[in-house]
Amino acid sequence: DAGITQSPRHKVTETGTPVTLRCHQTENHRYMYWYRQDPGHGLRLIHYSYGVKDTDKGEVSDGYSVSRSKTEDFLLTLESATSSQTSVYFCASGTADSNQPQHFGDGTRLSIL
Amino acid sequence: GQNIDQPTEMTATEGAIVQINCTYQTSGFNGLFWYQQHAGEAPTFLSYNVLDGLEEKGRFSSFLSRSKGYSYLLLKELQMKDSASYLCAVRASGGSYIPTFGRGTSLIVHP
Repeated sequence: DAGITQSPRHKVTETGTPVTLRCHQTENHRYMYWYRQDPGHGLRLIHYSYGVKDTDKGEVSDGYSVSRSKTEDFLLTLESATSSQTSVYFCASGTADSNQPQHFGDGTRLSIL
Repeated sequence: GQNIDQPTEMTATEGAIVQINCTYQTSGFNGLFWYQQHAGEAPTFLSYNVLDGLEEKGRFSSFLSRSKGYSYLLLKELQMKDSASYLCAVRASGGSYIPTFGRGTSLIVHP
């Protein structure tokens, strides 16, 4: 396994508050990703990183920002949480080798009231 | 854009065989992945196809036809623990390393 961990695993917060989710990997993977998973939508890419300080937007990036100051850490921030951001968030890491799969963390269940 | 289609839900009987289909329309093709995801858990890798044909791994096999934009995951000798969601993910060509996921197929195995 990739040794990828997410924190916190569960969080309940209020609309308008900032929230930061953390992802840590120990495989020295260059690429890291943040997804959200909602019923009927599957996994949707929020942001990804292709190296330290190199990030880009995915298909559902509005309202989210990311930072990657070290290879092993990738942070996802909700600047001002809204109820529509209630979801399960998964972090993943991997290489650019086309035949290699992504390795996923166990997810963070975020509820915004 | 990319479009990946899977059935939403399937049911099957323990001991039987089930085939989960995935069709895709992408800008080029650079590989297709199948993942298994149990409720409340992370997706885990099952199989990878990049050339046409069947890849077999124990009770699970995955097939690809690039000309038809079609793949299936075949699960044999179904067990109760196979009840899970199965996610199809496609990498487009052009150097992109980021796969796009389908919405997943929820498989329910009953006795």
